[in-house]
Amino acid sequence: GAVVSQHPSRVICKSGTSVKIECRSLDFQATTMFWYRQFPKQSLMLMATSNEGSKATYEQGVEKDKFLINHASLTLSTLTVTSAHPEDSSFYICSARDSEKSTDTQYFGPGTRLTVL
Amino acid sequence: QKEVEQNSGPLSVPEGAIASLNCTYSDRVSQSFFWYRQYSGKSPELIMSIYSNGDKEDGRFTAQLNKASQYVSLLIRDSQPSDSATYLCAVNVRGATNKLIFGTGTLLAVQP
Repeated sequence: GAVVSQHPSRVICKSGTSVKIECRSLDFQATTMFWYRQFPKQSLMLMATSNEGSKATYEQGVEKDKFLINHASLTLSTLTVTSAHPEDSSFYICSARDSEKSTDTQYFGPGTRLTVL
Repeated sequence: QKEVEQNSGPLSVPEGAIASLNCTYSDRVSQSFFWYRQYSGKSPELIMSIYSNGDKEDGRFTAQLNKASQYVSLLIRDSQPSDSATYLCAVNVRGATNKLIFGTGTLLAVQP
């Protein structure tokens, strides 16, 4: 149980284009999902908290207009990197909390490796 | 002071030994503590969660929590080369989002 998928697993795009990453909870409902970014040899950095049916909460320093988050259902959150630039190249990982459980446990997706040329 | 601190390592142990990974946190009201394992190039996977003072065992893994000292540890018995990975300590932040704060991780290398 508690499986989270991400799509795509890897994407290469040209500078200036937008990229959408999907995060799905496969066997549980997730009112809350989280989006992280991880640069090589660094720890996870929380970008934003995605809330089903409401606006995402962004961490300080994360541009909400550049990283668009939509959480339209209890099993799907999307992150769109708009006008991507080489400095946005990173490993993007989502996680989800099981809405039926009272714990704070986050289950991670496999991640999406974004390379912007 | 960082909210969650871990020694970055690498921590090198021989195969079959006990690996001891440590983590300290700064927020006294934290209630939930997690250990995740992350292999190179992969996303984190949950190993254990612990909420109460004392020890919690799951197979070869034992998590230890001491809230008074704001300290949580992970012991790995009979370490295997496949245990070689970065181990991330995470602590919850109580509030509307209940988000987790991650340490920078400890790289464990188990030598065959």
